[in-house]
Amino acid sequence: AQSVTQLGSHVSVSEGALVLLRCNYSSSVPPYLFWYVQYPNQGLQLLLKYTTGATLVKGINGFEAEFKKSETSFHLTKPSAHMSDAAEYFCAALRGGYSTLTFGKGTMLLVSP
Amino acid sequence: EAGVAQSPRYKIIEKRQSVAFWCNPISGHATLYWYQQILGQGPKLLIQFQNNGVVDDSQLPKDRFSAERLKGVDSTLKIQPAKLEDSAVYLCASSSNHGTANYEQYFGPGTRLTVT
Repeated sequence: AQSVTQLGSHVSVSEGALVLLRCNYSSSVPPYLFWYVQYPNQGLQLLLKYTTGATLVKGINGFEAEFKKSETSFHLTKPSAHMSDAAEYFCAALRGGYSTLTFGKGTMLLVSP
Repeated sequence: EAGVAQSPRYKIIEKRQSVAFWCNPISGHATLYWYQQILGQGPKLLIQFQNNGVVDDSQLPKDRFSAERLKGVDSTLKIQPAKLEDSAVYLCASSSNHGTANYEQYFGPGTRLTVT
């Protein structure tokens, strides 16, 4: 069965610092990969996705992620954190041809002034 | 376009009571999903509909949970009777069936259920 692992349940950064949220997947066949953000008392919003093609994917709000097949990773980055980035971030994987998403446990991003 | 609508937003019930949640997907989206998100965990798929047919309900506790999407548009998820461990946020999502767009799921705000 496919699984998604997010390293670190909480990540703290200062405003203006680099954001790095880690995600690894376990699958012999590279899946489609997604990052979602969830603000308090709201549903999940898609940040970016990787399906095929370019391995560096740009998303909304200045986030980007790089698919590395050799490392089975899809880490999320942003060069400079903003206070409004404070939220919970979920990495998810989807096997090609199926539409069932498998989510990681989430990483809470805390941004301090 | 209007997003995925869910109601109620919050519900508090006692164990052994029943509860129902409603979801209206984005117009034209053929696929509808119900997820359970327990505090501190990622969402877990309960059931997936394609139009009014069930595609995947392998993780739905069928002894107490039921869901329907009779006309292939809106959907209802029911729990009867509720247990303490059902306390969670129930998320509804929908997706289109067109090309790579069917890999993008759009989520509603969720219903936070507390069972006491």
